[in-house]
Amino acid sequence: EAGVAQSPRYKIIEKRQSVAFWCNPISGHATLYWYQQILGQGPKLLIQFQNNGVVDDSQLPKDRFSAERLKGVDSTLKIQPAKLEDSAVYLCASSLVGIDTQYFGPGTRLTVL
Amino acid sequence: AQSVSQHNHHVILSEAASLELGCNYSYGGTVNLFWYVQYPGQHLQLLLKYFSGDPLVKGIKGFEAEFIKSKFSFNLRKPSVQWSDTAEYFCAVNLSGTYKYIFGTGTRLKVLA
Repeated sequence: EAGVAQSPRYKIIEKRQSVAFWCNPISGHATLYWYQQILGQGPKLLIQFQNNGVVDDSQLPKDRFSAERLKGVDSTLKIQPAKLEDSAVYLCASSLVGIDTQYFGPGTRLTVL
Repeated sequence: AQSVSQHNHHVILSEAASLELGCNYSYGGTVNLFWYVQYPGQHLQLLLKYFSGDPLVKGIKGFEAEFIKSKFSFNLRKPSVQWSDTAEYFCAVNLSGTYKYIFGTGTRLKVLA
């Protein structure tokens, strides 16, 4: 069974630039999560989708972050414009249903200079 | 605000020593509880989970955790660690009936051969 795929694996940008991350969940998984993990901290949930609808985005900084999951499969997370404090690993995870085991991708390590 | 605390940020043990990693959460309602592990160079993966029933839960690789509701705790244990258990361990809590997941800050375990 293929796992959760994410790209790119690494990204370096300057502040005020834009960046986008892509996630392809495990086939058949209805729920998709985006997390931000800052060095030394645990993952922080940014947004959760159930199929292509948002079920929780209470911790997403909506002035600069956006996410979509068209057709209930792939998802894209965008940051526009980036700030220094956005440097982190961005993790995507998926699960069959909402409250269940999450399967994580390898993450995208973002460095904002 | 709800939170998850992992008291030990770094733990160093010799092989065959016993392990107990603490996890406490602050939330008065019903919770679902998880322990995830990240081995060096690998993705986060589930070790074990508790939804209901027997508060002593067994997971993969000989790990177990005990839910003590009165103490708001879900400590992870292993009677005899191996060098291959070197990893970072995260406790996570889902607030039952919601989509909210909260991760602890993680505990880095190093097992000396």
